[in-house]
This record gives sequence, C-alpha cells and structure tokens, in this order.
Amino acid sequence: QKEVEQNSGPLSVPEGAIASLNCTYSDRGSQSFFWYRQYSGKSPELIMSIYSNGDKEDGRFTAQLNKASQYVSLLIRDSQPSDSATYLCAVNMDAGNNRKLIWGLGTSLAVNP
Amino acid sequence: KAGVTQTPRYLIKTRGQQVTLSCSPISGHRSVSWYQQTPGQGLQFLFEYFSETQRNKGNFPGRFSGRQFSNSRSEMNVSTLELGDSALYLCASSFDSFNQPQHFGDGTRLSIL
Repeated sequence: QKEVEQNSGPLSVPEGAIASLNCTYSDRGSQSFFWYRQYSGKSPELIMSIYSNGDKEDGRFTAQLNKASQYVSLLIRDSQPSDSATYLCAVNMDAGNNRKLIWGLGTSLAVNP
Repeated sequence: KAGVTQTPRYLIKTRGQQVTLSCSPISGHRSVSWYQQTPGQGLQFLFEYFSETQRNKGNFPGRFSGRQFSNSRSEMNVSTLELGDSALYLCASSFDSFNQPQHFGDGTRLSIL
C-alpha cells in the first residue's frame, strides 16, 4: 500500500517563529515531492517542488528531502498569521506500469499573533 | 498564462439526478486529474486522464466517470446522485504527472438536496 503520512495537527506556532511540517512516504523509489497549501474552502496551491536530497529554499519556505530516511519536510520561517492553512504533502509513487501522485491528509497550521 | 478553469463553480442537484463537470487545463498540459474533497477530509483521487486515455483510477463506484478530449479538456460525470456526493470537486492539470507538479482549478462545489 503506497502511503504518505503527515501529522494532522493542529500545529500551533507564535507569529515570527519557525513552523516545521513533516511528511514520510513508503515508496523508496519516489523521485518527485511537492508541498501544497490549502486555505479553508479553497483549492490547493503549489508552494514548492523538490527532487534531490538536501534543502531547497524559496523565500520564507525551505523544503528538505532525505530519500534514505524517506521523509520530506517544509520549514516556514518568520511565520505569519496568513500562513495559517492546511499543508499537503504529495509524492509521486510507482503504480504498476506508471506512476501516481499520492497525497497525505495534510497538517493544519495555526500561526498565533 | 491562464490557469485551470473549472465550470460551473457551484451546482445544486437533487438525489437521483446526474451531473457533468468541466475542466480546462493549463495550455500545454496533457494530464488532468480529478479529486473529491469533503469537509475535514483529504483529497480523494477519482481518476487521471492523459492524452484522452484514463491512466489511473481511484476507488470510486462506477457512477463516477470521466473523459478527456483531444484538446485536453476533461469532463467528469456523476450519475444517480446521492447525498454523500456533496463535495468540492477539484481538477488539476500537469504537463506530465510523473514528475511535474499538479495545478488546481478553483473547484466545483456540488450540493445534493
């Protein structure tokens, strides 16, 4: 069973702090990993893609990938109340003779002013 | 560059009716995926089309069907609607779902009375 697991939260952090969101996946052969943000009642929006081990930074966001340990994380620096949302991790996994995007259930983040 | 367009945005139907939802992907994207999302639930994968062929399918009953046209536009149909079909239906497109991220439309909110 192909799985992507995330802590459902809620994760609560004060404004200005670093929020750390984690995701583990079951398919060791996975090669592409994505973080999405979803506000309540809205559709998911892509924050970042990561394909290689290590860190990838984009503004206040840093994605970290460790394929050996099968986890990918998202750090949000200087968290703002507007970052309060559900963060979804998605991983491309083998699905028979093709590949399929498998989604985690998401982590709810609350940034408190 | 225009994003993913879903129509209609809102729809109200009664039990037993059928409904057709439409999705126009980002220009150049050949993969279209459909998801169902109910309050507090994760993304439930319905199916994925690529170059007019269904490439992946989720665990939904046969009442849920879809198709993709030669211009990559996609439709999904739900027949014999049930109260439990009330949800946000999301369409996402990607150039190639294997390694490229998916980009979501705003969704169609379907309410069954």
